[in-house]
Amino acid sequence: DQQVKQNSPSLSVQEGRISILNCDYTNSMFDYFLWYKKYPAEGPTFLISISSIKDKNEDGRFTVFLNKSAKHLSLHIVPSQPGDSAVYFCAGISGNTPLVFGKGTRLSVIA
Amino acid sequence: DTGVSQNPRHKITKRGQNVTFRCDPISEHNRLYWYRQTLGQGPEFLTYFQNEAQLEKSRLLSDRFSAERPKGSFSTLEIQRTEQGDSAMYLCASSLWDRNTGELFFGEGSRLTVL
Repeated sequence: DQQVKQNSPSLSVQEGRISILNCDYTNSMFDYFLWYKKYPAEGPTFLISISSIKDKNEDGRFTVFLNKSAKHLSLHIVPSQPGDSAVYFCAGISGNTPLVFGKGTRLSVIA
Repeated sequence: DTGVSQNPRHKITKRGQNVTFRCDPISEHNRLYWYRQTLGQGPEFLTYFQNEAQLEKSRLLSDRFSAERPKGSFSTLEIQRTEQGDSAMYLCASSLWDRNTGELFFGEGSRLTVL
């Protein structure tokens, strides 16, 4: 039972353009959705989150949009930079349960 | 460095051997999590502690796996009679739980290779 789905294993974007990473979920009980970023040989690091009662959260170049009716969220990175090249994980959490991760999307930002 | 520390970073072992990983969380954090990540997958939850109490275990955690957090500080994850399918990155994370917003601080992981 995959509660969080990232259907695009990889994405390539030119430097300066917008990167859009997508995520779908099945668990309507999630209270928060989070994006984590992972570089090789490092643990995931928290990037940005959104409460289930919001539809948008912005932090600098990163914006997360939540569409509850479609059970879909997306992470927008603009402008994309080469240092953004990493694997991005979408995750959801509900109540007291542990974080549930998607399989990740590898973003490559090409200079 | 006051982040989450894991050791060893890499462990190569033969099938059937026992291995133990250690995690030192951020000192003021009361929650500690273990996740496992295999190639092409996201981190999968194994177990977590609040202080010294183990509150939840995933069905992924077979009887060969045991985790402890004896004094509510560091934690160990032991795998007995390792199998090749245990090869993975074992990630530890900690958090200060006041409300469950999901923001975890991960260590760099311990990579296990079972030959």
